[in-house]
Amino acid sequence: AQSVTQPDIHITVSEGASLELRCNYSYGATPYLFWYVQSPGQGLQLLLKYFSGDTLVQGIKGFEAEFKRSQSSFNLRKPSVHWSDAAEYFCAVAGGSNYKLTFGKGTLLTVNP
Amino acid sequence: DGGITQSPKYLFRKEGQNVTLSCEQNLNHDAMYWYRQDPGQGLRLIYYSQIVNDFQKGDIAEGYSVSREKKESFPLTVTSAQKNPTAFYLCASSTLGQGVNYGYTFGSGTRLTVV
Repeated sequence: AQSVTQPDIHITVSEGASLELRCNYSYGATPYLFWYVQSPGQGLQLLLKYFSGDTLVQGIKGFEAEFKRSQSSFNLRKPSVHWSDAAEYFCAVAGGSNYKLTFGKGTLLTVNP
Repeated sequence: DGGITQSPKYLFRKEGQNVTLSCEQNLNHDAMYWYRQDPGQGLRLIYYSQIVNDFQKGDIAEGYSVSREKKESFPLTVTSAQKNPTAFYLCASSTLGQGVNYGYTFGSGTRLTVV
């Protein structure tokens, strides 16, 4: 069965600092990988996705993620964080015969002024 | 614009009552999903449906029921058998199979509180 681990429950960064959110997945074949963002009381918005090709993928709002098969990782990065990036971030993996998404437990990002 | 509409945004339930959460999509997606979200737990799958008149249990289906009579609609009923129903409920939809590479589209959620 597929699974996702987000090791950091809560991260605090200063505005303008760089950001890296970690995601490790477990899946036997090449997975479909996603990062979503959720503002309080809202649904989830897709930031970026990977399913083949270039292992460095660009997303919306200046985010990028790198797929590393050898490390089973798909870490999310942003070079300079803005206060509006404060939210909860979820990594997800899809695979298997029905391509259902399995989500990690999320990382809450706090941005200090 | 295409999207998913969940209603109501807030819902209050008395002990022992059944309540139904609405989810409608106009994206022509075949698959629809219900997730429950609790603080620190991430998203847990309740039920999903890939075709009209068919649905499968997810990881935490006990105390919940669904129907899929129309492609556009996937209502969730929280029954009195659900011991701890207070949570944030999210509905999502997607294309089938490898179309999932486009990701899921989510509604804005319903917050259910037992009073």
